[in-house]
Parts: sequence; structure tokens; C-alpha cells
Amino acid sequence: NAGVTQTPKFQVLKTGQSMTLQCAQDMNHNSMYWYRQDPGMGLRLIYYSASEGTTDKGEVPNGYNVSRLNKREFSLRLESAAPSQTSVYFCASSEALRDRGQPQHFGDGTRLSIL
Amino acid sequence: AQKITQTQPGMFVQEKEAVTLDCTYDTSDPSYGLFWYKQPSSGEMIFLIYQGSYDQQNATEGRYSLNFQKARKSANLVISASQLGDSAMYFCAMREGQAGTALIFGKGTTLSVSS
Repeated sequence: NAGVTQTPKFQVLKTGQSMTLQCAQDMNHNSMYWYRQDPGMGLRLIYYSASEGTTDKGEVPNGYNVSRLNKREFSLRLESAAPSQTSVYFCASSEALRDRGQPQHFGDGTRLSIL
Repeated sequence: AQKITQTQPGMFVQEKEAVTLDCTYDTSDPSYGLFWYKQPSSGEMIFLIYQGSYDQQNATEGRYSLNFQKARKSANLVISASQLGDSAMYFCAMREGQAGTALIFGKGTTLSVSS
């Protein structure tokens, strides 16, 4: 029962490098999300995808791009990494974007350090 | 203004005691949902309990209950009979009906349970 799988779990980058964080869910959920978690800040939404083929910006989208590759997969790309993007990144999915009662299911997170 | 406020950075409780973690929220939408998540030191996000704005009764899930006071806009999490494994960070989150985007998280409360 995998749920939401994120890869990699850890990554160290140099400033200016690019990388893609991968996320896949096997629960047939329509909606997927990317959050970042910084100390003392809780989780903040970067981008979300209500359904396959759509993506929208969240609270902190600058410096990121996303791709909803298919219903299962939602990737987050850092084109030119900056130290301010050092964070823990969580991918989540839920049954429907506007179904208020459905909890979001989270992956285990990716710990990203940018030097 | 913050949408979700958790005023207790840290809480300490002894095993078998009950503990209340505070959460207040701010929304003008009459339709919303409130969630609590647990984040142990291993980092994953675990869904605990949900309360809808139109729910007449307080939500309960095993040892977790939600003290929902709509007029005061508070949704406190009550953990009965604390266990050592309850030591973790706890996040309150809200999904607003009209916005329909994603969860808005508070900054969290760290709970420490001692024997």
C-alpha cells in the first residue's frame, strides 16, 4: 500500500543547479499538491493540480514549475536552485479538490539542501 | 492576517493525561473544513481528524476528539490518555469552500509526552 511516493528522499544541490522532484500516487486521486515546510512556518502551498491537465499557483510559486504528467504523477522542478529554496518538500493527493471533507494524503517528504 | 493560529509552540504532558492543543481560524466562508495532522520526528504527515463547518457534533476518532466552537472560531484537538508515541508536532489546517484550493496550515504545536 504505497500511497504517495516521493523521490528522492534527500538531495543536496549547488546554487544554480536544476532538479525535478518526483511524486506519484496510487490511490486514483484527482487532486495533487506540492508544499514546502520551513522551520516555524508550517506547510505552505507551492502549486496544485485539481485534475489531470490543470495546474495552479499556490502561496509561494516563485522559482518553481510543475507538470501533471498523468493522473498518477505530479512533478516539481527547480530551474535554478537558490539557498532560499532549502526546505522539506511534501507532495500530497486527495480525492477531489473541492470536497472539503477529504483529507490530503502526504508523501514522506524530500529534504532538499542548496549550498 | 493569519488564517490558522496555533498559539502554543510547545506543550508538555505526562503519560495517561489528557491534553488540549489550541487552534483558532479565520474565514468568512460559511462552508469550510478543519483538519488535524500529526508529524512525528520521522517527518511524515499523518491525518488525525476532520470537522466540517456544518457538522452538528464534535468529531471523534479513537483517542482524538475535536472541540469545535464555531462562534469562537476554534477547533481544539483533545488527546485523551496520552502515550509516549503521541510526542510529535501537530498541525491544524483549514480548507475553505469558496477558495477550494488546498489546505492552509498553522505553524504547529510540539507535544512532548513524558513517562
